[in-house]
Amino acid sequence: AQSVTQLGSHVSVSEGALVLLRCNYSSSVPPYLFWYVQYPNQGLQLLLKYTSAATLVKGINGFEAEFKKSETSFHLTKPSAHMSDAAEYFCAVSDQGSSNTGKLIFGQGTTLQVKP
Amino acid sequence: ETGVTQSPTHLIKTRGQQVTLRCSSQSGHNTVSWYQQALGQGPQFIFQYYREEENGRGNFPPRFSGLQFPNYSSELNVNALELDDSALYLCASSGTGDEQFFGPGTRLTVL
Repeated sequence: AQSVTQLGSHVSVSEGALVLLRCNYSSSVPPYLFWYVQYPNQGLQLLLKYTSAATLVKGINGFEAEFKKSETSFHLTKPSAHMSDAAEYFCAVSDQGSSNTGKLIFGQGTTLQVKP
Repeated sequence: ETGVTQSPTHLIKTRGQQVTLRCSSQSGHNTVSWYQQALGQGPQFIFQYYREEENGRGNFPPRFSGLQFPNYSSELNVNALELDDSALYLCASSGTGDEQFFGPGTRLTVL
């Protein structure tokens, strides 16, 4: 069965600093992995996805993530945080391995705070 | 191209009542998934519909039921509401090979 663990429920960075949000996964099949962002009182927006192509995935708003099979990780990074990045971030794995329209299994989420 | 819409935005019910939540899929999408997001938690998969048929279900009791209509809009029905059903309910639509596009959600409060 697939699962996702997000390490750190709250992360606080200064504006301009590196953002690193950690995600580890467990999957019995080659995974499809996703990062979503959720702003207050809104739905989820896809930041980026890994679908077994390049291991370094670039997404929107300057975010990227690297798939590391040996570490079963898919950490999200951004070189320089902006105030507008403050939000809730969710890592997810698709239960169908090779599909991105299967059931999504989400982590608990990480709240990113950006200090001026 | 219109996005995924959900109604109502907010809803307050009392224990034991029934509720229907609605979702309008993005144009051209034939798959809809419903998720429950409790406060401070990640979304949990309830079920998915593909071309009006249930196509997978999460660990939710039968009092959670759904429908998908020929125009691919969808409903989530919850009977005999419990306090723990208070949550944000998200629907997501997708087409063949597409990502899941999420709506803004319906916030349900059960008193």
